[in-house]
Amino acid sequence: NAGVTQTPKFQVLKTGQSMTLQCAQDMNHNSMYWYRQDPGMGLRLIYYSASEGTTDKGEVPNGYNVSRLNKREFSLRLESAAPSQTSVYFCASSEAYSYGYTFGSGTRLTVV
Amino acid sequence: DQQVKQNSPSLSVQEGRISILNCDYTNSMFDYFLWYKKYPAEGPTFLISISSIKDKNEDGRFTVFLNKSAKHLSLHIVPSQPGDSAVYFCASDNYGQNFVFGPGTRLSVLP
Repeated sequence: NAGVTQTPKFQVLKTGQSMTLQCAQDMNHNSMYWYRQDPGMGLRLIYYSASEGTTDKGEVPNGYNVSRLNKREFSLRLESAAPSQTSVYFCASSEAYSYGYTFGSGTRLTVV
Repeated sequence: DQQVKQNSPSLSVQEGRISILNCDYTNSMFDYFLWYKKYPAEGPTFLISISSIKDKNEDGRFTVFLNKSAKHLSLHIVPSQPGDSAVYFCASDNYGQNFVFGPGTRLSVLP
């Protein structure tokens, strides 16, 4: 029972490079989310997808794009990475809203 | 400005004693709250929730209290165990669309 799977777990990018963070869930959840975690800031919402075919901006969307490829997969793309995007990125999914989210184990991204 | 605040970045407690983690929120419209627990190199995991129609919710050693008038909630862990050492995040429902998280409190339970 994998839950939410994120790849890669670690990544180092040079400023200006692009990359896509992958996320897949096997729980048949409708909603998926991307958060970033920074020291002293908690988890901040980047983008979310309430259902397949829809995406919406969260608190900190600038510099990111997302794709809800199908019900299982929700990817996060950095088109031109900046040092300010150095963070730990978490993908999450939910079905019954009252139970909150199921999180993946995170991707630690460093932009140099 | 943060809508969910956890003003204590860290807390140390002796094993067997009570741990009390606090959380304040600014938006009086928030009506559903959760606590998450996070170990290093893992994603956060759901711990306990509370709705604004209640002022207390209990699950084993974990109890969450909600004071709506003060816009304050707290998580009590009794008795605290070394395995409870983790970062605890308070989160609030954001108009049914997603959750807003606080910055977290790192709990250390000393043997």
